[in-house]
Amino acid sequence: QQQVKQSPQSLIVQKGGISIINCAYENTAFDYFPWYQQFPGKGPALLIAIRPDVSEKKEGRFTISFNKSAKQFSLHIMDSQPGDSATYFCAAMSGGSNYKLTFGKGTLLTVNP
Amino acid sequence: DAGVIQSPRHEVTEMGQEVTLRCKPISGHDYLFWYRQTMMRGLELLIYFNNNVPIDDSGMPEDRFSAKMPNASFSTLKIQPSEPRDSAVYFCASSLGTRNTGELFFGEGSRLTVL
Repeated sequence: QQQVKQSPQSLIVQKGGISIINCAYENTAFDYFPWYQQFPGKGPALLIAIRPDVSEKKEGRFTISFNKSAKQFSLHIMDSQPGDSATYFCAAMSGGSNYKLTFGKGTLLTVNP
Repeated sequence: DAGVIQSPRHEVTEMGQEVTLRCKPISGHDYLFWYRQTMMRGLELLIYFNNNVPIDDSGMPEDRFSAKMPNASFSTLKIQPSEPRDSAVYFCASSLGTRNTGELFFGEGSRLTVL
């Protein structure tokens, strides 16, 4: 059972454009939603995260939009740059003492110069 | 400061051989995680430890896999005997134990190829 569904699998954007990656979840107990960025040959690294008490969080060119009723959240990358080319993973963690982070399957973003 | 250190970075072995992957977490972190990454299944949590104690090993695929954390600065993931379907990138990650941040710091991974 895939608890976090991510789309699209791959995305090609022109430099300066907006990249949008979407995720949907099923478990209403999830209360922490991070996005990780992974470059080839490296491990994933935290990019930005949100909790369901807010609908949007912005850090520089990166914005998370969160829709609790629809159980969906998305990552927007404004003014996309070739250096943003990487694989992006959404993830979710449930409340309580369980520390398990469930990842989406990833989106390979290519930003063309 | 050094990040999470994994070894070996690359391992090629033959089916049936024993494989041991090693991880040194960030000093002071009290959570340690082992993930496996494949194209088909993405990032899967295998097991995680808190203060060297295994908390959840429900992701370990079968008895051929075992993980230990003998002290706060070292963990191993062992596969015995290895099979071709175990080929993947294995990541170790560590975290400072508060759920308020939830940030996992990943190593660069160990790429395992089982022939």
